[in-house]
This record gives sequence, structure tokens and C-alpha cells, in this order.
Amino acid sequence: AQRVTQPEKLLSVFKGAPVELKCNYSYSGSPELFWYVQYSRQRLQLLLRHISRESIKGFTADLNKGETSFHLKKPFAQEEDSAMYYCALSGGRFGAGTRLTVKP
Amino acid sequence: DGGITQSPKYLFRKEGQNVTLSCEQNLNHDAMYWYRQDPGQGLRLIYYSQIVNDFQKGDIAEGYSVSREKKESFPLTVTSAQKNPTAFYLCASSIGTSGSGEQYFGPGTRLTVT
Repeated sequence: AQRVTQPEKLLSVFKGAPVELKCNYSYSGSPELFWYVQYSRQRLQLLLRHISRESIKGFTADLNKGETSFHLKKPFAQEEDSAMYYCALSGGRFGAGTRLTVKP
Repeated sequence: DGGITQSPKYLFRKEGQNVTLSCEQNLNHDAMYWYRQDPGQGLRLIYYSQIVNDFQKGDIAEGYSVSREKKESFPLTVTSAQKNPTAFYLCASSIGTSGSGEQYFGPGTRLTVT
């Protein structure tokens, strides 16, 4: 069965600290994975996808097929990174989300 | 102004009444989705449609119905059979008929049933 697990509902870090949002998945075949972000009073929007291997707003995520993980990382968190983050498989399978708070 | 729109933003209904939520897109996307967003549970897929006149149940389709008569439109009806209808509902669309690829989201409709 396809499943996305985000083990942390809440994550709080100080500005300038590294941040890692965890995501594990179960999927048979080659997965297509995404990170979406929802800032306060804004629409849910794509942050990055594993296929593009881009760095968006300083965030990166590497697909680890051996560990079935797609963790989102940023070396130096900023206050504007405070938001709700969702990991997702293509086709509409989302994790429960992690609310990141970056404190000044 | 392109994109995906949902109306209304807030909707109030009495228990026992059916209610239809609107979702329209002008992105020429083939696939459209409906999700329910509850605190602590993330997004749960209700229904999705990959082409006109065809749709599939998601994980929590009971108590909901959809139609896809036009490519641009994918309305969701919350029926009186849905036991806990009060929630935030999100519509999304994506390019292509395979269900893969980035999804574009609407602003959502908050439904309150009393």
C-alpha cells in the first residue's frame, strides 16, 4: 500500500539553526515524491520535487530508496520558513504534515 | 487571472442537507482532485478524476459524490450520509492523465455543518 509518514507534527528551531523535516514512504515501483508548503493564509504550493533535484529557498531533499526516505533539509533556518510542510507521493498521497516554527 | 478557484470560501449548512462545493480551473489540466484537510491528519484524498466523465474514489469517498462533465470543472457534493462533514476542503489539478506530477491547489472552502 502507498503511504507517506511524517513522524513529527511539530518542529521548532531557532533562526540560523539547521532543520530537517522527516518523511518516509512506502511504494512499490519508482516513486515520484514532492514537498509542499503552506504559509499562513496562503495556498498550498509546491516547494520541490525529487526529480528536479533543485534547491528551493535553501531547502533540499534527497530520495533515499534504501531507507525509503525523502527528508527535507535546510542548513540555516529563517523566520519566514515557518509554515506547514507536507511530503507527498504523486497521485494524491500526502503525509500528515509537520508544522515548522522558526524562533528569532 | 489563471489558476484554480474554489467557491465559496466559507459555507454553512444544516445537518441533513446536501451541499455542493465548486472547483474550476483554467490551466487546461487533465487531472483534478478533492482533499479534506483536518488538523493533525494532513490531506486525505476524497475523489480524483484523470479525464472528463471518469473519476475514482480516494481513501475517504463515503458520503461524497463528484461529477466531471467538463475538463474545467470538478464539483464535490457533500451528502447527508457524510458523518463528519465539517472540514476544510481543497481542490487541486495536475497536468496529464497519469496522476503524476505537481499539483496546483485552490484556496479551499471551509464547510461548517450544524
